[in-house]
Amino acid sequence: EIVLTQSPTTMTASPGEKVTITCRASSSVSYMHWYQQKPGASPKPWIYETSKLASGVPDRFSGSGSGTSYSLTINNMEAEDAATYYCQQWNYPSRTFGGGTKLELK
Amino acid sequence: EVQLVESGGGLVQPGRSLKLSCAASGFTFSNYYMAWVRQAPKKGLEWVATISTSGSRTYYPDSVKGRFTISRDNAKSSLYLQMNSLKSEDTATYYCARDVLTTGFDYWGQGVMVTVSS
Repeated sequence: EIVLTQSPTTMTASPGEKVTITCRASSSVSYMHWYQQKPGASPKPWIYETSKLASGVPDRFSGSGSGTSYSLTINNMEAEDAATYYCQQWNYPSRTFGGGTKLELK
Repeated sequence: EVQLVESGGGLVQPGRSLKLSCAASGFTFSNYYMAWVRQAPKKGLEWVATISTSGSRTYYPDSVKGRFTISRDNAKSSLYLQMNSLKSEDTATYYCARDVLTTGFDYWGQGVMVTVSS
């Protein structure tokens, strides 16, 4: 089973700041998906196939990576971006999630 | 509009069983893999099960394999999760989700709470 390790587990950012969340896989994976979750709500698809933004996601978000290292980046942090972000991969037949990164507004 | 609506949650004693349901609408249910994902209180997301379009193939992590069974009824556009031999660590919100390999879990239900406690 592939284990996904996200870092940091929690972080704070000021409005306008650049934010980077990383996700490292214990073995190479083909691509990574990312989800955003706010308190009391269901997760939302956010980035899929490593770098493609889901519908409605602002273009200040971007995703990149390959092999065992992937990242989600926010250029110019906004208040509405405060949330928990999860990475997720598929490696037949399993799907696994990272532990999550809680992003708070400073 | 795609909608996934879970039901069947509640309080159950350890060792007992519970069956969750998910009613799907707004898309051709029989064309998609479907999944259950859970989230323990204040914890992260955990994939629980996936089922193929016809129901002939099912996939589970070791944490629930042999205790949980995912199934579907394409005529009713419904997904199910039979949970047996429940443990306290199964306490979580259970989400029904559409499972697409290239886009991930692209639609989620609102979730249903399952509490395992005596």
